[in-house]
Order: sequence, then C-alpha cells, then structure tokens
Amino acid sequence: AQSVTQLDSHVSVSEGTPVLLRCNYSSSYSPSLFWYVQHPNKGLQLLLKYTSAATLVKGINGFEAEFKKSETSFHLTKPSAHMSDAAEYFCVVSVGAGNNRKLIWGLGTSLAVNP
Amino acid sequence: AAGVIQSPRHLIKEKRETATLKCYPIPRHDTVYWYQQGPGQDPQFLISFYEKMQSDKGSIPDRFSAQQFSDYHSELNMSSLELGDSALYFCASSRDDASTQYFGPGTRLLVL
Repeated sequence: AQSVTQLDSHVSVSEGTPVLLRCNYSSSYSPSLFWYVQHPNKGLQLLLKYTSAATLVKGINGFEAEFKKSETSFHLTKPSAHMSDAAEYFCVVSVGAGNNRKLIWGLGTSLAVNP
Repeated sequence: AAGVIQSPRHLIKEKRETATLKCYPIPRHDTVYWYQQGPGQDPQFLISFYEKMQSDKGSIPDRFSAQQFSDYHSELNMSSLELGDSALYFCASSRDDASTQYFGPGTRLLVL
C-alpha cells in the first residue's frame, strides 16, 4: 500500500539558516511526488514535483527536493530560510493512472522561522 | 496564468441547512477533485470527476453530492449540515494525462 510519512510535525529554524523537511514514501510503483505549501488561512500551492525525470527537483521560492529511490525519501530543502517561508508543508505521492489518480498526503510539517 | 476558482470563499450556515460550493477548473483541465481539510489536518479526498462522470469516491458523506457540468465546472452540494462539516473545502483540477493537481484557494465553511 502507498503511504507518505513526514518525519517531523514541527520544524523551527532561524532566518537565514538551512531548512530540511523530511519525507519518506512507500509505493509499489515509480511514484510521482509533490510538495505543497499552505500559508496560514490560504490555499495549497504546488512547490515542486518529481515525475521520473531528474532526481533533483527545483521548485519555487528557492526550495528543492531530491528523490532517493534507495532511501525512499523525498526531502525538501532550502539553503536559507526567510520569514515568509513559515507555513505548513505537505509531502504528497500520486497513485493510480489517468483519471483515477489520487493523492496520498502526509500529515504535514509546520515550519516556523524565527528572526 | 489562470488558476482554479472557487466560490464562495467564505460561507456561514446553520445546522441542517444546505450549501453549494462551486469550482471552476483551469481552462482545458477536464478532471476535478474535491477535498475537505479540517483544522490542523491534511486534506481528505472526497470525490473526483472526469469528463462529467464520477471517476473516484473517497470519504464523502451520503449527505453530500457533487457533479461536473458540460463546461467542466463542478458543484459540491451539502445537505443537513452538521457542526463537524465546518472545514476548508478545496477543489483541484488536472488534465487527465497529468498527475499534477492544481488547487483552488478553498471555501471556508462554518456551520453554527
């Protein structure tokens, strides 16, 4: 069965320091993986996606993620945190095909950025 | 670029009332998904439509129904509202051959 585990429910960093949000997945097939970000009282925004092309994926706002099949991981990183990065981050795996695709969501990681 | 549009953005209803949420997908997207997100929770999949036909069903209560129209917009109809239905309701759209779902801003429903 497919699943997504976000290893930290809360992460707190200082502004200007690196960010690491960890995600492990379980999938029987070559997965499509996503990171979505949700700012307080806002909608879900696609940050980046992996769909079996380059294993290092660059997203918006300076974020990137590396797909590591051997470790079944898709950790999200950013070299230098900004105050505006404070939000909820969801790691998501897409399962199924065609119009029967569905998303399996992690429980989210809340990122706090301290001045 | 055009995004997914949801209306209304905020809705307040009383118990046992009905509500209708609307979703307008990105142009040329033919698949629509509905999600419910409770406070502090991840989004829960409710139902999806492809080419006006229901394509998948998740944890949608029997009190809820949805449909997709010929212009690909979708409506989620919620009846006999309960306090527990208070949540953020997201709509997402995709092309049938793409795995990426793009989300709308959500409708925040409060049931009093």
